[in-house]
Amino acid sequence: SQTIHQWPATLVQPVGSPLSLECTVEGTSNPNLYWYRQAAGRGLQLLFYSIGIDQISSEVPQNLSASRPQDRQFILSSKKLLLSDSGFYLCAWSGLLQGLNTGELFFGEGSRLTVL
Amino acid sequence: SQQGEEDPQALSIQEGENATMNCSYKTSINNLQWYRQNSGRGLVHLILIRSNEREKHSGRLRVTLDTSKKSSSLLITASRAADTASYFCATDAIGNTGKLIFGQGTTLQVKP
Repeated sequence: SQTIHQWPATLVQPVGSPLSLECTVEGTSNPNLYWYRQAAGRGLQLLFYSIGIDQISSEVPQNLSASRPQDRQFILSSKKLLLSDSGFYLCAWSGLLQGLNTGELFFGEGSRLTVL
Repeated sequence: SQQGEEDPQALSIQEGENATMNCSYKTSINNLQWYRQNSGRGLVHLILIRSNEREKHSGRLRVTLDTSKKSSSLLITASRAADTASYFCATDAIGNTGKLIFGQGTTLQVKP
């Protein structure tokens, strides 16, 4: 069965410090991978979208970057965090599920980042 | 910019009542999806309706799609306290190839 793992689940970082959030997907190959950010009480903002290794599109200009060093690994990074980077970060995948691409997204449990 | 906008932003009902949430979007779509999010958790897919479909059912969920008005509704019948969550619509716009754009969500509270 397919699983998606995100870590860490929560972290508190000072302004100006680096960031690395990791996401891995198991049980499927060639997934599309996504990073979304959710501000408190708000909807999801698409940050990055990847259709394959080293194929990443950035949806909004920002202080963050993403990398996909392996097919099933998606990393969200920052060299220097800003206060505005605080939020709930969600990784998701879409792709083949039992041989069919249904178009639905499967989400991880999220990483809550607080920048102080 | 966000593609989908939900209405109302918040909804409070009694157990057993029906809950209706609406979603409007701006561009032509391949499909529209509804997701549920419990507080502090990831989103869970509920139902997908394609652009050539007008209505779809799944258990106590009923989704309608009106492409001429660029709107969709999610009806939850006979609500339960466990239905308390935030509900989001998401659109897969034509040409965007699988990138889902989410609305701001409706927060539903079902009182026992």
